[in-house]
Amino acid sequence: LAKTTQPISMDSYEGQEVNITCSHNNIATNDYITWYQQFPSQGPRFIIQGYKTKVTNEVASLFIPADRKSSTLSLPRVSLSDTAVYYCLVGARYNQGGKLIFGQGTELSVKP
Amino acid sequence: GAVVSQHPSRVICKSGTSVKIECRSLDFQATTMFWYRQFPKQSLMLMATSNEGSKATYEQGVEKDKFLINHASLTLSTLTVTSAHPEDSSFYICSATEGSSNQPQHFGDGTRLSIL
Repeated sequence: LAKTTQPISMDSYEGQEVNITCSHNNIATNDYITWYQQFPSQGPRFIIQGYKTKVTNEVASLFIPADRKSSTLSLPRVSLSDTAVYYCLVGARYNQGGKLIFGQGTELSVKP
Repeated sequence: GAVVSQHPSRVICKSGTSVKIECRSLDFQATTMFWYRQFPKQSLMLMATSNEGSKATYEQGVEKDKFLINHASLTLSTLTVTSAHPEDSSFYICSATEGSSNQPQHFGDGTRLSIL
């Protein structure tokens, strides 16, 4: 399973766009990139998943360059409630194989 | 959407007690469930993979006799921390995945275990 590297923490202000980059140099051909969000004392919540180029849903966008050795989670116009830890994971798509290995995560702090 | 329910949400008990934590998939059948442990300010650490009808697969360094896992049905997996000690105090989280579904893993809201 490919290892991921993310910034340990980031600060932002309400209304700003936040971009969190994750490095995964050893990503395998079949690997997908998945991002989860975790609030204190709660389980992680799925945010977005992608394989290449750009994926967008109602809460975030995921940008993946052609070499797939990194990815960037983009949160548009963050609010205080987006303060959480964000994890980037690399592995089998959804439940094929299933095993998720969590890296250190990025602690995002959104200030008023 | 799919929901995974974990019970209890919090347990406080004396050293030497065995504690059982339940993980249920509420609106889907989970052929595979996973158990994680998370210490304060740290990431989730995968403990074991629980497969319905078969023995769990434990990660390296996790004592299978200490952390008993039973996945007796497609909607329920249990983790029993046997003879718990203060160092077992942690946040335990389960996740579940539906067999052939095109859905990501869904996580429970965790169980805060405190051993006195």
